Amino acid sequence: NAGVTQTPKFQVLKTGQSMTLQCAQDMNHEYMSWYRQDPGMGLRLIHYSVGAGITDQGEVPNGYNVSRSTTEDFPLRLLSAAPSQTSVYFCASSRTSAYEQYFGPGTRLTVT
Amino acid sequence: AQSVTQLGSHVSVSEGALVLLRCNYSSSVPPYLFWYVQYPNQGLQLLLKYTTGATLVKGINGFEAEFKKSETSFHLTKPSAHMSDAAEYFCAVSPPSGGYQKVTFGIGTKLQVIP
Repeated sequence: NAGVTQTPKFQVLKTGQSMTLQCAQDMNHEYMSWYRQDPGMGLRLIHYSVGAGITDQGEVPNGYNVSRSTTEDFPLRLLSAAPSQTSVYFCASSRTSAYEQYFGPGTRLTVT
Repeated sequence: AQSVTQLGSHVSVSEGALVLLRCNYSSSVPPYLFWYVQYPNQGLQLLLKYTTGATLVKGINGFEAEFKKSETSFHLTKPSAHMSDAAEYFCAVSPPSGGYQKVTFGIGTKLQVIP
């Protein structure tokens, strides 16, 4: 039981490049979410999903895309990276949003 | 709609002193409440949670929190701080119905423990 896994752990991108941050969970959780964490701003919700095929926007969705084709995977796509997207990204999952969240170890992204 | 306010983005306590981290919430229905801890360069992990029943909940590492509906608060306490408690702490609120609703996190409180 690996819990929530995220890849890569570190990534450096140039402005304008695109990439996908991977997130997978093996707990059969319905609810999955992506957050970004920036100094002094806490955790900000980017996108979330309440089940396969169902996603919705959080508070900072611009510049990011998600899809949820399976229960296990919830990738986050950066369409055209910008320096403002330099951050630490966390994926989390839970049975539903009413239950405790299980977090991945994070991806540290730098956009130059 | 729901929201969370954590008073004090940085809190410093001496080793052995009481730890008190404040969390107030706003919710249209009685929420579920959580405290998470984040150690440096790690993800968040659950410290404790309140769903229903006893309003004083105990968590890991000697932490506890009390749900006070009249004050819409869920403050986190620990009688005696240890150096290993230095971390960032997040309060979170979620609707008990789950479903299409999302979880809301506070901005976090960094706890510094002074030897």
